[in-house]
Amino acid sequence: DQQVKQNSPSLSVQEGRISILNCDYTNSMFDYFLWYKKYPAEGPTFLISISSIKDKNEDGRFTVFLNKSAKHLSLHIVPSQPGDSAVYFCAAIYFGNEKLTFGTGTRLTIIP
Amino acid sequence: ETGVTQSPTHLIKTRGQQVTLRCSSQSGHNTVSWYQQALGQGPQFIFQYYREEENGRGNFPPRFSGLQFPNYSSELNVNALELDDSALYLCASSLEAGPLNEQFFGPGTRLTVL
Repeated sequence: DQQVKQNSPSLSVQEGRISILNCDYTNSMFDYFLWYKKYPAEGPTFLISISSIKDKNEDGRFTVFLNKSAKHLSLHIVPSQPGDSAVYFCAAIYFGNEKLTFGTGTRLTIIP
Repeated sequence: ETGVTQSPTHLIKTRGQQVTLRCSSQSGHNTVSWYQQALGQGPQFIFQYYREEENGRGNFPPRFSGLQFPNYSSELNVNALELDDSALYLCASSLEAGPLNEQFFGPGTRLTVL
């Protein structure tokens, strides 16, 4: 029962262009969504989050969009830089439940 | 301030054995969560401890158990190891429980069960 899905296992983007990573969820109880970035041999690190009462949150080059009716969120990175090459996980949680549910990840490769 | 550390880095066990994985949280962090990440999958929540008490559990059998100590260290114990337990085990600490508290992950312990 995969409640959080990332359907693209990998994505390659030219340096300087926009990277768009997508995530879908099935559980309508989720009310908080997060993106994590993971480099090899390191643990995931928090990148950006969004509450279900918002549809957009921006932090520097990173913007997360949430479409509740479609149960879809996306992470935009612009401009993409070589250091952005990593695996990106989206995750979801609902208040009152401590279980953070992760997607399967998307490996982003930025081509110089 | 040191980050979250885990030991050992790698471990090889055989089916039926027991294993203990260790995590050292950031100082002052009252909450630790453990995750299992199988190859090609995202991390799956095992359980969370808050101030030394279990505070939530995922869909893992009772042979997965944990402890949290007052010195910000914690353990994940797995009994009667199975081949499917082979995975990367991650711990994450946060100041308090609750989704608005950022979780800081350790680098993980890679467990191989033969």
